[in-house]
Amino acid sequence: NAGVTQTPKFQVLKTGQSMTLQCAQDMNHNSMYWYRQDPGMGLRLIYYSASEGTTDKGEVPNGYNVSRLNKREFSLRLESAAPSQTSVYFCAGTGTVTHEQYFGPGTRLTVT
Amino acid sequence: QKEVEQNSGPLSVPEGAIASLNCTYSDRGSQSFFWYRQYSGKSPELIMSIYSNGDKEDGRFTAQLNKASQYVSLLIRDSQPSDSATYLCAVRRGASGSARQLTFGSGTQLTVLP
Repeated sequence: NAGVTQTPKFQVLKTGQSMTLQCAQDMNHNSMYWYRQDPGMGLRLIYYSASEGTTDKGEVPNGYNVSRLNKREFSLRLESAAPSQTSVYFCAGTGTVTHEQYFGPGTRLTVT
Repeated sequence: QKEVEQNSGPLSVPEGAIASLNCTYSDRGSQSFFWYRQYSGKSPELIMSIYSNGDKEDGRFTAQLNKASQYVSLLIRDSQPSDSATYLCAVRRGASGSARQLTFGSGTQLTVLP
């Protein structure tokens, strides 16, 4: 039982490049989330998926897209990376019974 | 006013002391409250959840909730150097749809001095 997994762990992009951050969970979570964490800004919600087949914008969605591929997988795509997207990205999942949210290990992204 | 407010710290306590971490929230309709611990360079780890007024104890950790005062706290008894981390308070309004989202405070950095 791996919980919530994310790949890659680290990534360096040049401005304008694109990439997809992958997230998978084996905890049978219905809801999944993507956050970014920046110094002094705390955790900010980018997008979330309340259930398979649905996605909604969070607090800071601009410059990102998401796909809820199936119940297990929720990916975050940067179409044209910008230095302002340099951050640590966390994926999380929430169960339907306890509603407790569990985080993946994170992806540290640098855009130069 | 931020939705969830925490003192950023840093908060320093000696080993063996009680560390007290505080959090206030602005949405009176909030229903669920969580404390996460985050070590430097790691992801947030859920350590306590509390849903009703009063105290909830789990080992050395006690969460306290006062909905009338819109206040939630975390007490760490017999603090250890391994407790040194940033503690995040998170609040959720409800159990369905967008209300299920968590709103996080900015965190309080705790240092336990040997």
